[in-house]
Amino acid sequence: NAGVTQTPKFRILKIGQSMTLQCTQDMNHNYMYWYRQDPGMGLKLIYYSVGAGITDKGEVPNGYNVSRSTTEDFPLRLELAAPSQTSVYFCASSWEGITEAFFGQGTRLTVV
Amino acid sequence: AQSVTQLGSHVSVSEGALVLLRCNYSSSVPPYLFWYVQYPNQGLQLLLKYTTGATLVKGINGFEAEFKKSETSFHLTKPSAHMSDAAEYFCAVSEIAGSARQLTFGSGTQLTVLP
Repeated sequence: NAGVTQTPKFRILKIGQSMTLQCTQDMNHNYMYWYRQDPGMGLKLIYYSVGAGITDKGEVPNGYNVSRSTTEDFPLRLELAAPSQTSVYFCASSWEGITEAFFGQGTRLTVV
Repeated sequence: AQSVTQLGSHVSVSEGALVLLRCNYSSSVPPYLFWYVQYPNQGLQLLLKYTTGATLVKGINGFEAEFKKSETSFHLTKPSAHMSDAAEYFCAVSEIAGSARQLTFGSGTQLTVLP
């Protein structure tokens, strides 16, 4: 059972480039989340989804987009990378939003 | 809107000493509460959770936490610290926000265990 898998683990982007962070889960969870983690700031919710075809903004959505075409996958898209998007990104999933969330190993992104 | 406050961004204890990590939340209704641990370069792992029922909950690695509604607190404790407990700890609350539940995290507490 792989749980939540994120790719890539590390990435360096130049300002203005775009990329997609991949996230897939094999637990048939309906809720999925994207967080960013910055030192001393905890985790901030970027976007979340309560099921296939349904997404909503979290606390810090600007500069990001998501889609949820299947239960398993929840990719995060950065269209025009900016230095402020340098962070560690975590994908997570949970059942119905009331049980614990399971986290991926994270993607460390640097924008230069 | 809910918020989570973790008092002390860094806590140091000696090996064998009591660990106490503080978490307070603001919520108009009792939320679901969680403690997560993060080891270096890893994702978050659930330590324990409170949903309903007994207010003292036990988790993995000897940790426990008590939900105190009157104090809106959910402090994490461990009677005797071990070197392997050194990590960052996050308190989180799950509450209805808009049309769905959202998980909100505190800013984290870095625990150092001194030999």
